[in-house]
Amino acid sequence: EPEVTQTPSHQVTQMGQEVILRCVPISNHLYFYWYRQILGQKVEFLVSFYNNEISEKSEIFDDQFSVERPDGSNFTLKIRSTKLEDSAMYFCASKTGPFNQPQHFGDGTRLSIL
Amino acid sequence: GNSVTQMEGPVTLSEEAFLTINCTYTATGYPSLFWYVQYPGEGLQLLLKATKADDKGSNKGFEATYRKETTSFHLEKGSVQVSDSAVYFCALSTTQGGSEKLVFGKGMKLTVNP
Repeated sequence: EPEVTQTPSHQVTQMGQEVILRCVPISNHLYFYWYRQILGQKVEFLVSFYNNEISEKSEIFDDQFSVERPDGSNFTLKIRSTKLEDSAMYFCASKTGPFNQPQHFGDGTRLSIL
Repeated sequence: GNSVTQMEGPVTLSEEAFLTINCTYTATGYPSLFWYVQYPGEGLQLLLKATKADDKGSNKGFEATYRKETTSFHLEKGSVQVSDSAVYFCALSTTQGGSEKLVFGKGMKLTVNP
């Protein structure tokens, strides 16, 4: 069964450094998402992406964050200058179409900021 | 805004015990409701869904019924197995706002002992 893949599984970065989290969504999916889960807290929505543009973003998704779909297969989340509070598990998700089709998730990238 | 409240646990049960995980929601419009499961070391997997009132979602012996009158979507299983040990998340999405992002509950960790 096709699946969403995320790399790396664990990323350790110094505070202030840039980090790029990578995702390969399922090939025929059109809607893409990033979520994060700080340890012990809820899974929170960050951003959604459709038709090569952001369709919605949360308050968390400030100017330090950006997303890109550079080549039609990868979907990346960039954090420009990481902070300690960016430490979390980041999940990528994708789905085929609108009207509440289920989202399919990757296994996540654990980001640790030192 | 939209929100999901669920039992947080952790909960420990013996094999073959009955499981109920309560989930209630607040939403504008008509949400679709989901249960996701996260096995140790893995990403979020869709367990079941319901897209309109009185729909029953079912999968792997788990069931949940969309109750609009009580704004609930409780998860049940008649006889749990050790392999059901995981974290269970209730979630909703709506078509309002365009992106159909998921809003999650805090998750409930279930441990099933032999």
